[in-house]
Amino acid sequence: AQSVTQLDSHVSVSEGTPVLLRCNYSSSYSPSLFWYVQHPNKGLQLLLKYTSAATLVKGINGFEAEFKKSETSFHLTKPSAHMSDAAEYFCVVSRSGGYNKLIFGAGTRLAVHP
Amino acid sequence: DTAVSQTPKYLVTQMGNDKSIKCEQNLGHDTMYWYKQDSKKFLKIMFSYNNKELIINETVPNRFSPKSPDKAHLNLHINSLELGDSAVYFCASSQFGTGGENTIYFGEGSWLTVV
Repeated sequence: AQSVTQLDSHVSVSEGTPVLLRCNYSSSYSPSLFWYVQHPNKGLQLLLKYTSAATLVKGINGFEAEFKKSETSFHLTKPSAHMSDAAEYFCVVSRSGGYNKLIFGAGTRLAVHP
Repeated sequence: DTAVSQTPKYLVTQMGNDKSIKCEQNLGHDTMYWYKQDSKKFLKIMFSYNNKELIINETVPNRFSPKSPDKAHLNLHINSLELGDSAVYFCASSQFGTGGENTIYFGEGSWLTVV
């Protein structure tokens, strides 16, 4: 069985400071991992994905994530937060070799203060 | 051009009614999905169709019936609506693939409120 755990339900940062959103995964198979973002009353947008290539993955809007198999983690980072980054972020796992079925984490609400 | 579009965006209806949400994608994908997001923002897959054939069917009440007239459309019909059906329903599409190599694109969601 696969699952993801987002370790923080809420994260609050000041504009211009680094962002760290934590995600641990559990998978019996080689996983594919994703981060999606959902702005208020909007759909889901893919930020980045890991599919067994480079372990450091760069995404849109300056976000990146590092796949660490030994720690079963896939934390999302950004060097400098912008007000427009305020949104809900979902860590997602999909089983490699199976149907394209996404398992979502519970989400982390990122607040960015001036 | 909207890649995955779903209608209506907002729907308020009474318990016991039957309603449909329509979804269309213009990305040329062969696989479409319905996801449900509950009031706590938790997202879970409901169904997936590949070339009009059902390939994923999670534990969903049989009041929910997806229909795929062609690979560009996947509609969701809900019979005898209940209060607990209130949620945001997301349509999505991708190319068929095993694992995560094919990105799944989501629509903007349909907010269903049952009163």
